[in-house]
Amino acid sequence: AQSVAQPEDQVNVAEGNPLTVKCTYSVSGNPYLFWYVQYPNRGLQFLLKYITGDNLVKGSYGFEAEFNKSQTSFHLKKPSALVSDSALYFCAVRGPQKVTFGTGTKLQVIP
Amino acid sequence: EPEVTQTPSHQVTQMGQEVILRCVPISNHLYFYWYRQILGQKVEFLVSFYNNEISEKSEIFDDQFSVERPDGSNFTLKIRSTKLEDSAMYFCASTLLQGGQPQHFGDGTRLSIL
Repeated sequence: AQSVAQPEDQVNVAEGNPLTVKCTYSVSGNPYLFWYVQYPNRGLQFLLKYITGDNLVKGSYGFEAEFNKSQTSFHLKKPSALVSDSALYFCAVRGPQKVTFGTGTKLQVIP
Repeated sequence: EPEVTQTPSHQVTQMGQEVILRCVPISNHLYFYWYRQILGQKVEFLVSFYNNEISEKSEIFDDQFSVERPDGSNFTLKIRSTKLEDSAMYFCASTLLQGGQPQHFGDGTRLSIL
């Protein structure tokens, strides 16, 4: 069965500092991996994805993610956090029939 | 940019009543999904729909739930006899293709069961 783990319920980071939101996954076959962001009272917005190719993928709003096959991880990163990045972040993996989401990590960027 | 739209934004229903949540996916998309999120927590897959039939469903999607694409634009989720634990945000999503395509989500319907 496919699964996604986001080990941190919340990540706090000072504005201007680098941020990392962790994600590990389990899926049969080659993984399709995604990051989504959710702002209050809104749906999920797509940030970036990994399908094949370079292990470092770049997405919206300056975010990037690093795919590590040996560690089955897909951590979300940003070199310099903004207060406006504060939101709920979901990692997801697509399997043969469906997408499975992680439990979400609340990112709090402190001014 | 085209969007997935969901109506109503908030639905309040008495326990035991039927409720229909409506979604208009992006017009050229072919794959449709419903998800549930309780209290801003985990997003739970309910069902996927393609070519006018269910392609996958979760254990949550029991006989009380059904989906329909009654015309070329709407995609509905029906809960026949609502329970208190059905209270959640329900999100519709769509994609043009499967595989590496990201899903486009609506802003959800908040369902409150009294």
